[in-house]
Amino acid sequence: AQSVSQHNHHVILSEAASLELGCNYSYGGTVNLFWYVQYPGQHLQLLLKYFSGDPLVKGIKGFEAEFIKSKFSFNLRKPSVQWSDTAEYFCAVRFGGGSYIPTFGRGTSLIVHP
Amino acid sequence: KAGVTQTPRYLIKTRGQQVTLSCSPISGHRSVSWYQQTPGQGLQFLFEYFSETQRNKGNFPGRFSGRQFSNSRSEMNVSTLELGDSALYLCASSEQGVGTDTQYFGPGTRLTVL
Repeated sequence: AQSVSQHNHHVILSEAASLELGCNYSYGGTVNLFWYVQYPGQHLQLLLKYFSGDPLVKGIKGFEAEFIKSKFSFNLRKPSVQWSDTAEYFCAVRFGGGSYIPTFGRGTSLIVHP
Repeated sequence: KAGVTQTPRYLIKTRGQQVTLSCSPISGHRSVSWYQQTPGQGLQFLFEYFSETQRNKGNFPGRFSGRQFSNSRSEMNVSTLELGDSALYLCASSEQGVGTDTQYFGPGTRLTVL
C-alpha cells in the first residue's frame, strides 16, 4: 500500500540551528508532494509544494525541500531556524494512477529553544 | 477573501449521540474535503464533495457521512459516536478538487466524546 513516512516525530533545536525533516513515500509512479505547517492554535497551512520541474522547491518563511525521485524522498530544510518555527510539520503525498487523494505523514513536532 | 470557516470550534458529546459539523469554504471553491486528525493516526481523509456530489471517500465506517449544499457549504455527520471518534476534524477547500490543486484548511472542530 502507498504510504508516507516521517521518521522524526519530535525534533528539538536551538535558534540558528539548521533543520532537516525527513519525508519518504512508497510509490514508484507520479506524485505531487507537499509540506504543511501547523503553528500552535492555528490552521494547517501550505509551506511548499512540488508537482514537476526543478526538484529544489522554495517555500514561504525560508523553507525549501528537495525531491529526490531515486530515494522516494522530499525532505524539508531550513538553514537557520527561529523560535517562531516551533510547530507541527506534515508531509503529504498525492499518488498518481488513482484518485490522487493526499496521504499525510504522522507529522513532526518541532520545538525551537530561544 | 475570507478563509475556510468551521463551526462549532469545540464540541463535547457522549457515546451513542450524533453530531453535525459545518464548513464554509473560501468563496468560489467548489470542493470541500474532510479530514480526521488524531495524535496516533495523523490526518486521515474522510471524503470530498464537489458541486454537491461525493467524489472521493476514505476508509471510514458508514457512521461518517456528509453532504454539500448548492452554496458549497458542507456538513459532516457522525452517528452513534464512539470514544475513538474524539479528534480534530478539519475541513479543506479548493477550486477544482483534492486531487488537482492546493487545499486551504480551516481551523478545525475539536470533538470530544465522553
